[in-house]
Amino acid sequence: DGGITQSPKYLFRKEGQNVTLSCEQNLNHDAMYWYRQDPGQGLRLIYYSQIVNDFQKGDIAEGYSVSREKKESFPLTVTSAQKNPTAFYLCASSIRRDFGNTEAFFGQGTRLTVV
Amino acid sequence: RKEVEQDPGPFNVPEGATVAFNCTYSNSASQSFFWYRQDCRKEPKLLMSVYSSGNEDGRFTAQLNRASQYISLLIRDSKLSDSATYLCVVNPGASGTYKYIFGTGTRLKVLA
Repeated sequence: DGGITQSPKYLFRKEGQNVTLSCEQNLNHDAMYWYRQDPGQGLRLIYYSQIVNDFQKGDIAEGYSVSREKKESFPLTVTSAQKNPTAFYLCASSIRRDFGNTEAFFGQGTRLTVV
Repeated sequence: RKEVEQDPGPFNVPEGATVAFNCTYSNSASQSFFWYRQDCRKEPKLLMSVYSSGNEDGRFTAQLNRASQYISLLIRDSKLSDSATYLCVVNPGASGTYKYIFGTGTRLKVLA
């Protein structure tokens, strides 16, 4: 079955540690995205990538880093510079078209907790 | 002004009621519009895309008003299972930014 897989589902991190969240898709989608959701809040864009080896900062990129070395993979690293990393992280992908993208498909998310 | 704005609710309605949500967006050149549904502690899932001519899917109707820069979602004959948060999503597309911008969501509770 095609889809987006995020791992792990739950992640606990000690303060000062970097952690990497995995996102893999087998939908052959060009574009991939990382969002953060805090309790009772909407989704805020961290980073996005329209093609391999290229990515752009979203609205809240500080303290995060990404890479896009393969079309199917878009890992997110939460660095120690991120002051409040506890949140629900969602990865998405979509087909990119010149006139606007089709709908985004989401992975099941990773809940990160700093302990 | 936020790029995409929604009334957070909650909207508490009885089963069988009709309920409507609106969402406004700031970028007049936006190309693509969607409604997503998000259940508690789950990922968002596409409910329906919103087309210029308006579109319907069963009990759900979506409308786009480009002149006033808003989209709407109408749910008829509400079911208990419709209880969720409904997210308005805009993709500016060809205006140069290919990304999905989410509203904060509108919570719906359908009561027995």
